[in-house]
Amino acid sequence: SAVISQKPSRDICQRGTSLTIQCQVDSQVTMMFWYRQQPGQSLTLIATANQGSEATYESGFVIDKFPISRPNLTFSTLTVSNMSPEDSSIYLCSVGLWNSGNTIYFGEGSWLTVV
Amino acid sequence: RKEVEQDPGPFNVPEGATVAFNCTYSNSASQSFFWYRQDCRKEPKLLMSVYSSGNEDGRFTAQLNRASQYISLLIRDSKLSDSATYLCVVLRNRDDKIIFGKGTRLHILP
Repeated sequence: SAVISQKPSRDICQRGTSLTIQCQVDSQVTMMFWYRQQPGQSLTLIATANQGSEATYESGFVIDKFPISRPNLTFSTLTVSNMSPEDSSIYLCSVGLWNSGNTIYFGEGSWLTVV
Repeated sequence: RKEVEQDPGPFNVPEGATVAFNCTYSNSASQSFFWYRQDCRKEPKLLMSVYSSGNEDGRFTAQLNRASQYISLLIRDSKLSDSATYLCVVLRNRDDKIIFGKGTRLHILP
């Protein structure tokens, strides 16, 4: 299994500012993912954070808006840049463990409200 | 057609009843399948993986039908604490992408 710590757990941010979310895993993992879940919606993959290379972004998400770092196999950050109220959402860090049975674990999420 | 589709519900079911959800997927090359549970304002948590032979964990039974490309979740003797959103999750083979359904909301009524 994997234990994932995310911070901040929640924040209220001013429009136009940026916020960086941190994700720490208790073991080394190859694949880390960042998801967004807007109110009442399902999870949408923002990007896959690759260690040692640039993140791979899904359609509709760009690096300028959501820069991601992955300095090592246990840590990643997601920045939400130049925030607007439409960015109010829960942001979830996730890791995939593909060894003995494929399993996906989530952090507790970071609840962002942009005012 | 969405890659993973679920009936959004809500399913309102009396306590003690049996309830079943289905989830269909469009990519026949999909590799692995899961059911996750998400409580309100919480992160999703793995309920069970779904194997070709079907699997059971207590009151929960998951089945996979590759020919018809659907997975199912059966909950027997439902409890109030089963009230949650149940997410169907598919691991896509070709690029290891994890695809989520929109979830099925379940309300167990006392």
